Amino acid sequence: GDSVTQMEGPVTLSEEAFLTINCTYTATGYPSLFWYVQYPGEGLQLLLKATKADDKGSNKGFEATYRKETTSFHLEKGSVQVSDSAVYFCALMNSGGYQKVTFGTGTKLQVIP
Amino acid sequence: GAGVSQSPSNKVTEKGKDVELRCDPISGHTALYWYRQSLGQGLEFLIYFQGNSAPDKSGLPSDRFSAERTGGSVSTLTIQRTQQEDSAVYLCASSVGLARGNSPLHFGNGTRLTVT
Repeated sequence: GDSVTQMEGPVTLSEEAFLTINCTYTATGYPSLFWYVQYPGEGLQLLLKATKADDKGSNKGFEATYRKETTSFHLEKGSVQVSDSAVYFCALMNSGGYQKVTFGTGTKLQVIP
Repeated sequence: GAGVSQSPSNKVTEKGKDVELRCDPISGHTALYWYRQSLGQGLEFLIYFQGNSAPDKSGLPSDRFSAERTGGSVSTLTIQRTQQEDSAVYLCASSVGLARGNSPLHFGNGTRLTVT
């Protein structure tokens, strides 16, 4: 079945550091890939998405590229801020049959001033 | 427009009692999902609805859990004879569904269930 593997957290970075959160997946067919973010005390919200190989999703300075050859969708940001502290979830949606959505376990990011 | 609405936002119940959790999806969204998020854990899939049908109930942890959706809109997740291990945040999400390809999920703020 489909699965998503994320790097374990928590990840602690200083402000303005470079961020990478690794995400790899296993799926049949041609899934769409997503990053969701959950800020403290809030619900999950979509951060960015990519629907086909080599697509790059971007939002709020975050980027992720859909790499079919390595089955990866790593999240990156060049300079993190304290306000980026949150839990980040990688997810895939496979429309084979129906829109099943599989989430990774989440990676907690803490940015310190 | 209005987002996904869940009620109640918090529920404290005694072990052995039944609870009902409600989800109002975004108007026009045909797909609806229930997930469970335990403290420090990721999202555990429970059930998926397309319209009023549930093609995938594989995530329901036991026969104490059931869910229904009526009119292609509101969904209710029912937990019978609650146990302490049922304590978690129950999240509902909706999306426009198959008609619009792989559209993202829109989440509610969840119901925090505490079983004492």
